[in-house]
Amino acid sequence: DIQLTQSPPFLSASVGVRVTITCRASQGVGKYLAWYQQKPGKAPELLIYPSSTLQSGVPSRFSGSGSGTEFTLTISSLQPEDFATYYCLQLGDYPRTFGQGTKVEI
Amino acid sequence: QVQLVQSGAEMKKPGSSVTVSCKAVRGTFSTYTFTWVRQAPGQGLEWMGRIIPIVGTTNYAQKFQGRLTITADKSTSTAYMELSSLEFEDTAIYYCARDLEITVPSPIGYWGQGTLVTVSS
Repeated sequence: DIQLTQSPPFLSASVGVRVTITCRASQGVGKYLAWYQQKPGKAPELLIYPSSTLQSGVPSRFSGSGSGTEFTLTISSLQPEDFATYYCLQLGDYPRTFGQGTKVEI
Repeated sequence: QVQLVQSGAEMKKPGSSVTVSCKAVRGTFSTYTFTWVRQAPGQGLEWMGRIIPIVGTTNYAQKFQGRLTITADKSTSTAYMELSSLEFEDTAIYYCARDLEITVPSPIGYWGQGTLVTVSS
């Protein structure tokens, strides 16, 4: 199975700052990596797929990059509504696997 | 708009089985991949398995091999997840989800409301 390692697991930041989350895969997945945002008590929401394509309705402060085994999610200017947990998901092979998550808090 | 409606919360004893249903109220059913994802209290997302209803193809995470069965009923647009030999550690919210697009590979784009399964003696 492909393992995804997210870092950092926790991130404490202030409104307006730039934050970057990394997702590393144990083997190459091409560009087939998705990023999700999950808020407490809610199902996840798709932000980016494939690795750098913003989904419809997602604010442009979010961006993604990478291919193969290393990917990043960047929030250019953190907003109050961005405080949530972020997960990567690889679609390179079955079984699919999620990263362990990065909780972004104030 | 795609809407996935899951069955209600369940409380089960260790060693028993649970079946959670997921009805696609709106949106196409048979040609899309349906996936089950779970989330234990305070923990991350865990991919369990998937099915393509039109062909019945399934894939399961190794962790659940032998005790997870995912099925689909095309006539009622409903997917099912059955987990057997329940353990306390299976206590979690179980999500049904559908791929965003038919094209492969497609990410999960739509989620059900989640079903809480509690395993308790």
